[in-house]
Amino acid sequence: AQSVAQPEDQVNVAEGNPLTVKCTYSVSGNPYLFWYVQYPNRGLQFLLKYITGDNLVKGSYGFEAEFNKSQTSFHLKKPSALVSDSALYFCAVRALGNSGYALNFGKGTSLLVTP
Amino acid sequence: ETGVTQTPRHLVMGMTNKKSLKCEQHLGHNAMYWYKQSAKKPLELMFVYSLEERVENNSVPSRFSPECPNSSHLFLHLHTLQPEDSALYLCASSQDRGASRDTQYFGPGTRLTVL
Repeated sequence: AQSVAQPEDQVNVAEGNPLTVKCTYSVSGNPYLFWYVQYPNRGLQFLLKYITGDNLVKGSYGFEAEFNKSQTSFHLKKPSALVSDSALYFCAVRALGNSGYALNFGKGTSLLVTP
Repeated sequence: ETGVTQTPRHLVMGMTNKKSLKCEQHLGHNAMYWYKQSAKKPLELMFVYSLEERVENNSVPSRFSPECPNSSHLFLHLHTLQPEDSALYLCASSQDRGASRDTQYFGPGTRLTVL
């Protein structure tokens, strides 16, 4: 089965410092990986995705993610965190199942950026 | 978030009530999805629609009934719900459910409370 794991429930970062939100995946075949962000009382917003090609993927709001096949990881990064980045972050993998290509989500990582 | 809209944003209902959640996408997509987001649990895929076709997750109780009258609208009809059904219900759409590269775009969700 295709799945992702987010090992950290919460990540705390000071404003201006670099941030990393971790995600590892388990798939058979080529992985299609996604990052979403959810602000309080809002839906999920798409940040970026890896399909193929360059291992460093750039997305919205200055976020990027690095696909590492040997470590089966797809960590989300940002060089300089903002307080407004505080939110819930979800990693997801596209899985082929009975419903076609659905998304299997991790449990989410809460990011808190302090001033 | 204006690409996918959901109404109502908040709903409180008793266990004997019948209500419906509505989702509309303005992106010209062909596939629509219902997800359930409960506290402390990963997002759960409930239903997928692609044009006229419905693919159902067998684990979804029959008290949840989806309807997709056209490719832009998706409903979730609710009846005789249980308190454990209280959750955030998210609608999403993508160009095609069968394309692994497609990004799913989410609505803001309906916060459902069952008393």
